[in-house]
Amino acid sequence: DAGVTQSPTHLIKTRGQQVTLRCSPKSGHDTVSWYQQALGQGPQFIFQYYEEEERQRGNFPDRFSGHQFPNYSSELNVNALLLGDSALYLCASSFRGTGELFFGEGSRLTVL
Amino acid sequence: LAKTTQPISMDSYEGQEVNITCSHNNIATNDYITWYQQFPSQGPRFIIQGYKTKVTNEVASLFIPADRKSSTLSLPRVSLSDTAVYYCLVGGYGGATNKLIFGTGTLLAVQP
Repeated sequence: DAGVTQSPTHLIKTRGQQVTLRCSPKSGHDTVSWYQQALGQGPQFIFQYYEEEERQRGNFPDRFSGHQFPNYSSELNVNALLLGDSALYLCASSFRGTGELFFGEGSRLTVL
Repeated sequence: LAKTTQPISMDSYEGQEVNITCSHNNIATNDYITWYQQFPSQGPRFIIQGYKTKVTNEVASLFIPADRKSSTLSLPRVSLSDTAVYYCLVGGYGGATNKLIFGTGTLLAVQP
């Protein structure tokens, strides 16, 4: 049973560029949440997708957007990258937004 | 959303029982208390969740007093592999996982 998978695992971008991160939820899960984790900090909630719609959003600017596909996989897009966007981006899945969150290993983004 | 306060760090030795306490004075009636464990460069992993009194599973126990303004995660007989950051989270109406708020966590260091 595959858990949550994320790609790419590492990537380097320059300021002003755009990035797309991908996530496949755990088998049987239909809800995907995205978190940003800066070095030494706890994960910060970005948004959650369920039934291909954004259901909840944290305190992140519109540069952060997402999408959920019919197969429940999800993408996180960040436009106009800033140095401060350098972080580990975590995807977590659950069933109907309840119960235990299952996290992926994350995508490490470095913005130069 | 209720804010949580927990110690920044704790030290222990192998074989000891470790208790990590979390304060959440503004917990709402429908809030659940959930603990996650995170190793470096990995996504958080669910440990235990509870609403009131005591919950026990194969890896930990969670003690919640009647007023629910605090909770204590108990790890029996820790080993070196338990060295990690432990997060206390409050929220998730009815156990829902949307918009869970992570704090800075407690870094537990287990020594031989």
